[in-house]
Amino acid sequence: NAGVTQTPKFQVLKTGQSMTLQCAQDMNHEYMSWYRQDPGMGLRLIHYSVGAGITDQGEVPNGYNVSRSTTEDFPLRLLSAAPSQTSVYFCASSRTFRQDRLGQPQHFGDGTRLSIL
Amino acid sequence: KQEVTQIPAALSVPEGENLVLNCSFTDSAIYNLQWFRQDPGKGLTSLLLIQSSQREQTSGRLNASLDKSSGRSTLYIAASQPGDSATYLCAVRRREGGGADGLTFGKGTHLIIQP
Repeated sequence: NAGVTQTPKFQVLKTGQSMTLQCAQDMNHEYMSWYRQDPGMGLRLIHYSVGAGITDQGEVPNGYNVSRSTTEDFPLRLLSAAPSQTSVYFCASSRTFRQDRLGQPQHFGDGTRLSIL
Repeated sequence: KQEVTQIPAALSVPEGENLVLNCSFTDSAIYNLQWFRQDPGKGLTSLLLIQSSQREQTSGRLNASLDKSSGRSTLYIAASQPGDSATYLCAVRRREGGGADGLTFGKGTHLIIQP
């Protein structure tokens, strides 16, 4: 009963480095998304996907790339890390309206705490 | 642009009290509203989901209501316990038909239940 799994849990990067945050879910959810949580700002949507091969931008997409090659995985890539990307990143998944017309609660992972020096 | 506000930002009450957390949103064109709990350094745990056509949902000592026309939701916690201490987040999901499909969050209410 894994739910949404995020790796790594903690990461420290230097400015300009690249990395990929991993997210996997085992609930056959078509919808997956990434949020960042910053003090005083709340959680903000970065990118989302409604199925394999389909991605779209959220509220704060700049500096991040995503892809969705399988239903289970939705990795988030930082191509050139900047100190402003220091944050806690959460991945979430849910059924889509197509999968469940009665309601689609979002399930969240435990987060990745990322520091950019 | 949808904005979600949670009042109060922080609340401290003695154990056993009933309490109400408030959430308001500016755009009533929502698909659903979800209440979450977040413990320090942890992820988000879903508490209740209310569809836009529903008025309330209940789970154990928790009851959430939704008044879409006025842009308000409340989370009622009965007989509070120290284990209820956490940050409570309210989030709304927009209806299909325009804009990013995701949750818009409030900044949360930090709740402390005193033993």
